Amino acid sequence: SQTIHQWPATLVQPVGSPLSLECTVEGTSNPNLYWYRQAAGRGLQLLFYSIGIDQISSEVPQNLSASRPQDRQFILSSKKLLLSDSGFYLCASLGRDRARGYTFGSGTRLTVV
Amino acid sequence: EDKVVQSPLSLVVHEGDTVTLNCSYEVTNFRSLLWYKQEKKAPTFLFMLTSSGIEKKSGRLSSILDKKELFSILNITATQTGDSAVYLCAVGAYSGGGADGLTFGKGTHLIIQP
Repeated sequence: SQTIHQWPATLVQPVGSPLSLECTVEGTSNPNLYWYRQAAGRGLQLLFYSIGIDQISSEVPQNLSASRPQDRQFILSSKKLLLSDSGFYLCASLGRDRARGYTFGSGTRLTVV
Repeated sequence: EDKVVQSPLSLVVHEGDTVTLNCSYEVTNFRSLLWYKQEKKAPTFLFMLTSSGIEKKSGRLSSILDKKELFSILNITATQTGDSAVYLCAVGAYSGGGADGLTFGKGTHLIIQP
């Protein structure tokens, strides 16, 4: 079964600072990978998805970017954080067996101050 | 724009009660509907539904999909305090780029009181 490692678990960053969140996947190869954000009072919102190495698509215009340098590594970045970037960020993976649904990482709680 | 609406947004019941959580959706090119349980961090997978009228069961939890009326329900019988969580409904749609991303509802925050 798939396992997703996501870190850090909690992060407090000042406005204007850079960001790098990392996610690695075990137990599958060539998965679809996703970054979601859960803001207070809102549902999970899809930010980026990737169907392969260096193949990234953005779902919403924003201050963030994503990269996939290796098959099972997905990185969320920002050059300069905004207050509105605060939220709970989840990495997710969809393996070959679609019937097993998506596997989520444990999330990163980002607070921009 | 794809939309998923869950109701109620929050629910407080006593241990042993039965609860029904609702999820309605408007999605182009519907592929599947998924239910997740989120306690503190990572949502954990409960069910994936693709066909109308076929109930899926796992212990005290069950779910069914109505593709004509565009909704799903999640039932929990004989609730226990460990069932307290946010229950997320998400819908997946076919997309040409192969993204298979999900559209989530806001969740139902369920609290089971002893």
